[in-house]
Amino acid sequence: DGGITQSPKYLFRKEGQNVTLSCEQNLNHDAMYWYRQDPGQGLRLIYYSQIVNDFQKGDIAEGYSVSREKKESFPLTVTSAQKNPTAFYLCASSIPGQGGETQYFGPGTRLLVL
Amino acid sequence: GQSLEQPSEVTAVEGAIVQINCTYQTSGFYGLSWYQQHDGGAPTFLSYNALDGLEETGRFSSFLSRSDSYGYLLLQELQMKDSASYFCAVTPSGNTPLVFGKGTRLSVIA
Repeated sequence: DGGITQSPKYLFRKEGQNVTLSCEQNLNHDAMYWYRQDPGQGLRLIYYSQIVNDFQKGDIAEGYSVSREKKESFPLTVTSAQKNPTAFYLCASSIPGQGGETQYFGPGTRLLVL
Repeated sequence: GQSLEQPSEVTAVEGAIVQINCTYQTSGFYGLSWYQQHDGGAPTFLSYNALDGLEETGRFSSFLSRSDSYGYLLLQELQMKDSASYFCAVTPSGNTPLVFGKGTRLSVIA
């Protein structure tokens, strides 16, 4: 079955530590996205990539970094510079040129700070 | 700038009809989408409107008026499983990511 997987489901971060969230898709989609969701809030865009080896900052990129070395993979690193990282992180993919109207989401990773 | 406005909470009775409105102000507009998210889960796509009018998919319908920068999601024959958050989202242009509203939490009561 095609889909998007994210791991781990829960992640705990210590102060000053960098952590990496995994996102893999086998939908053959070119575009991938990372969103952050806080309780009772909408989805805020962190980074997106429309093609391998290229990515753009979203609305809240500070304290985060990404890479896109393979079409299937778009890992997100939450760095120590992100002072309030506790949130639900969602990865999504879509086919560019379709206006981005249909995005497929992974199950999410919940990040907690110890 | 981009902004989307939708009610934060709506409560409706099982079997009834509910309408969730969305107004938007964006620098460009290709279309309006709706997503459903159950607590702790991932958003799932419900519908997309690029042209004015009503799109129907089973119990769910979505409407768009481009001249009014307004759309709504209509849920009929409400079921308890429809309790979830519903997000409207705008596609500003062909190659830019979706811009999401803050979501409407729908509670269906018996």
